[in-house]
Amino acid sequence: AQTVTQSQPEMSVQEAETVTLSCTYDTSENNYYLFWYKQPPSRQMILVIRQEAYKQQNATENRFSVNFQKAAKSFSLKISDSQLGDTAMYFCAFMIQGAQKLVFGQGTRLTINP
Amino acid sequence: DTAVSQTPKYLVTQMGNDKSIKCEQNLGHDTMYWYKQDSKKFLKIMFSYNNKELIINETVPNRFSPKSPDKAHLNLHINSLELGDSAVYFCASRGGFLNTEAFFGQGTRLTVV
Repeated sequence: AQTVTQSQPEMSVQEAETVTLSCTYDTSENNYYLFWYKQPPSRQMILVIRQEAYKQQNATENRFSVNFQKAAKSFSLKISDSQLGDTAMYFCAFMIQGAQKLVFGQGTRLTINP
Repeated sequence: DTAVSQTPKYLVTQMGNDKSIKCEQNLGHDTMYWYKQDSKKFLKIMFSYNNKELIINETVPNRFSPKSPDKAHLNLHINSLELGDSAVYFCASRGGFLNTEAFFGQGTRLTVV
């Protein structure tokens, strides 16, 4: 069974700082996708960034980037120039290519302080 | 236009009651899901439907019965509600094989008293 682990239940940084959220996963599959979702207090689940396992290049979306280490099964999210609006729960998620199931980690509560 | 919409957003009910949560997506996606988020924020899949057919049932009690009248709708009916059913329930949808992103509804907070 696939599992996703986020080892940081909570993190807190000052506005404009850079923060990195950790995620590790366990799978014997070779083709899969990894995601980071953001859940602000509004409860809405918002996709932040996506990475295909077959791509060596790390995905980036504006201030958000990932460090994907396939051999280590690690998928961390870096948020640069953090903003107050980045305050949210962040979930790492995994899906095998062709499968129906998105498996989530436990989440990291990120607080950006003014 | 809301891509995935759930109703109601909040639901408070007594133990033993039967309730339904409705979900509709206007994205033309083939696959729809129900996820449960518990009090510790953990998200776990409950059901997955593809073109109205049940694909995944993750050992959910029989009191939970999903129904998909067409591929744009996936409703969740819960019988004999228990205190432990209190949670946030999310509906989500996803496109075909190469469309990996799941779009989520805004969630339904169910409170059983």
